[in-house]
Amino acid sequence: AQTVTQSQPEMSVQEAETVTLSCTYDTSESDYYLFWYKQPPSRQMILVIRQEAYKQQNATENRFSVNFQKAAKSFSLKISDSQLGDAAMYFCAYLETSGSRLTFGEGTQLTVNP
Amino acid sequence: NAGVTQTPKFQVLKTGQSMTLQCAQDMNHNSMYWYRQDPGMGLRLIYYSASEGTTDKGEVPNGYNVSRLNKREFSLRLESAAPSQTSVYFCASSEHPWATNEKLFFGSGTQLSVL
Repeated sequence: AQTVTQSQPEMSVQEAETVTLSCTYDTSESDYYLFWYKQPPSRQMILVIRQEAYKQQNATENRFSVNFQKAAKSFSLKISDSQLGDAAMYFCAYLETSGSRLTFGEGTQLTVNP
Repeated sequence: NAGVTQTPKFQVLKTGQSMTLQCAQDMNHNSMYWYRQDPGMGLRLIYYSASEGTTDKGEVPNGYNVSRLNKREFSLRLESAAPSQTSVYFCASSEHPWATNEKLFFGSGTQLSVL
């Protein structure tokens, strides 16, 4: 079974600085999707960024970018110019394309200090 | 607004009671999911339905049953609630596992407490 590991339960960053959240996964598949979701205190799950495994180019969405290392099975999220509104729980997730299972990591609680 | 609708938002049960969590999506998605979220454990998949008429177990299916009533609706039933089932439950849907713009849409969650 696929597993997703986020080894940082908590992270903090100063406003306007950059922070990187780590995620590793284990799979025997060659095609899959990877996601980062944000969960603010409102509990709503918000998609931050997605990456298709067959694409070598790292995905970017404004201040959010990923470092996708397929061979190392690593998928980290970089948040640049951190804002107070970025404070939330962040989840890394893996979606297999051969089925429909979406597997989440344990989550990283990000605090942004003013 | 289009999206995933879950009901109820909050529920308190006594041990041994039963209940059904309802989920409906209006995006014509094929796949639907039920997750539970517990502190320090992320979201764990309970059951999923890859398409209408099919359901499969996820990581933590024990104590739960599901029904994919039609393409829109996917319900989760607790036949005999236990305190270990106290959690926040999320329903989610996606167009297709390999859609070119694949992503999951989530409901707003159900906070369930079993006393």
